[in-house]
This record gives sequence, structure tokens and C-alpha cells, in this order.
Amino acid sequence: QQPVQSPQAVILREGEDAVINCSSSKALYSVHWYRQKHGEAPVFLMILLKGGEQKGHEKISASFNEKKQQSSLYLTASQLSYSGTYFCGTEEETSGSRLTFGEGTQLTVNP
Amino acid sequence: DVKVTQSSRYLVKRTGEKVFLECVQDMDHENMFWYRQDPGLGLRLIYFSYDVKMKEKGDIPEGYSVSREKKERFSLILESASTNQTSMYLCASSLIRLAEETQYFGPGTRLLVL
Repeated sequence: QQPVQSPQAVILREGEDAVINCSSSKALYSVHWYRQKHGEAPVFLMILLKGGEQKGHEKISASFNEKKQQSSLYLTASQLSYSGTYFCGTEEETSGSRLTFGEGTQLTVNP
Repeated sequence: DVKVTQSSRYLVKRTGEKVFLECVQDMDHENMFWYRQDPGLGLRLIYFSYDVKMKEKGDIPEGYSVSREKKERFSLILESASTNQTSMYLCASSLIRLAEETQYFGPGTRLLVL
């Protein structure tokens, strides 16, 4: 089942902060975050694992609430290069090595 | 760096044609995936494969088939293309355990079916 992302879109001025949320109704083993710029492939940002381990981008932080099956991506002091569509991909405990992606959050950072 | 390549960036086909989309990865990954991406719908899994000659249906397999004859190559086949298959198609690959390392995407093929 597809995870739900919120908000669907957000517009920031450079230097502002944003939080993107991802929520699943399934028990999750890991959450993967990607950013995609128009016309390009999604680029990996971060993995959050059940048990608290994180791997990924040094300048982006995220959290994973295992009890609520929710993850949040924190973008602080946004830069113009942060613009793009952010996707969360969830790995369910029973699904094996496949990800189910949310619909995406479109982030626009203006000067 | 992991490299996932797709045979074409843009394709234009006619309704009823047989269409082949090819994907090659150079990192000896066990898993390979085909997604389609449509505005407002995110990435939806069509088929995936854990090993050579092995395939599993994803969430939207109807109208598609796949082939994996070699570990590095995963092909998506549209047996008889239809206009509702106009979309962006993304291939991805990963290690057998996603927790070790995420999956990596190719650049995508934008397919237009007329």
C-alpha cells in the first residue's frame, strides 16, 4: 500500500526550513528518501532503518517513528538547489526487498 | 559509482507496436526493478526480479512483461502498446538487502504512444 506524503507541495524562500512527512499503514523495516529534479532520475538522500540506524546525506536530517510508521525529512536553511520533488520509499517488513513510493512532495525554493 | 543505464531517453511508438525497453546495471546487483512515473501518482512498480530468469509482479503488471536473461540486464516489454502506456519508465537496481544500500535509478525513458 502506497505511503502518504504531506504536504503535496511547498514553496520556500532561500534560507527557510521545511518538513516533509511520510506515513504508512504497514509495519516498516526501512524508509528511503529521494529527490528528483525535473527530467532527471531520483537521487538517493537517506535510509532510515528500524532500530534507529541512518545512512545518507550529511546536510539533510530525518527521523523514523517505528511505533507510528512515520518518517519526516527535515530541510534546514534551504538552498536553491533543494528544489525538486521528494519521494519516500517504504520497505515493509513482509514485502521483501522492494520499495513502495509515495506520490511525492514538490518543493520550490525561491531567491 | 553505481551506474544504471537505459537504452533510450525518448521513444515514440504507435498503438499496437511491440516495445522493448532495456536496462543495464554495472554493480552486480541482484535486484532489478521497472517503475512507471505519472504526474500525481508517484512511482509505481511494474515488475521486479531477484535473480536471473526470475520475475515477480509489482503493483501494475497488466499489459507488460519482462525478461532477465543475464544478471546485469532487465528488459521491459510492452506486447501491444496502448496510449495509456504513455509515461516515464524508470529502471532501478539494488543489492539483495535494501537496508545495506538503497536502490539506484537509471535516467528514465519517456515513452509516447500515438
